[in-house]
Amino acid sequence: QVQLQESGPGLVKPSQTLSLTCNVSGGPINTGSYYWSWIRQPAGKGLEWIGRIYTSGTTTYNPSLESRVTISADTSKNEFSLKLNSVTAADTAVYYCARDPGYPSNIWGQGTMVTVSS
Amino acid sequence: DIVMTQSPDSLVVSLGERATINCKSSQSVLYSSNNKNYLAWYQQKPGQPPKLLIYWASTRESGVPDRFSGSGSGTDFTLTISSLQAEDVAVYYCQQYYGTPRTFGQGTKVEVK
Repeated sequence: QVQLQESGPGLVKPSQTLSLTCNVSGGPINTGSYYWSWIRQPAGKGLEWIGRIYTSGTTTYNPSLESRVTISADTSKNEFSLKLNSVTAADTAVYYCARDPGYPSNIWGQGTMVTVSS
Repeated sequence: DIVMTQSPDSLVVSLGERATINCKSSQSVLYSSNNKNYLAWYQQKPGQPPKLLIYWASTRESGVPDRFSGSGSGTDFTLTISSLQAEDVAVYYCQQYYGTPRTFGQGTKVEVK
């Protein structure tokens, strides 16, 4: 059973870069036909899709964040990562990683809270 | 972007009664080549990630109780909980996966009367 676990700093200063990693266990990230995604949720608010990386390495980003986002994968560590630069308080949220085969699935991490504050 | 709009924003239902949540997309999410609606429903409880309930608008995820059902096509969709249980108190989201960015409705909070 594939499991995902997010990790990274819980506190990031404004204007700096938020960096999170999603460790994948139970299967390699570079096989099969899967999208490895990042989604975020500000406290008490709805869900926002950030972007994804396909098994082949192709990335797709939400245009609202595209200028600040990079999603990459490290197959040697079996993990994929999110970098969001020039953060502001509006980027404070719970960040989730997820996997799907092109349609929704229940393969989600538990989420990690990131606060942007000086 | 495809905008997803849910109604109502909140719902108070007695135990054992029916709960109905609506979701409308700003454009059709029906893919004509396979006649599938690219629409999912999630349930989210506090402190937990969303849990997938329904995909392809009406296909129940494995393990999801049959009191949950999804219907609709094109731009109008409904999630029905046929007999509300205490454990169904949660926020429910619809999501389209027809295009990117994938977008979610704003959520509907379901509470017990």
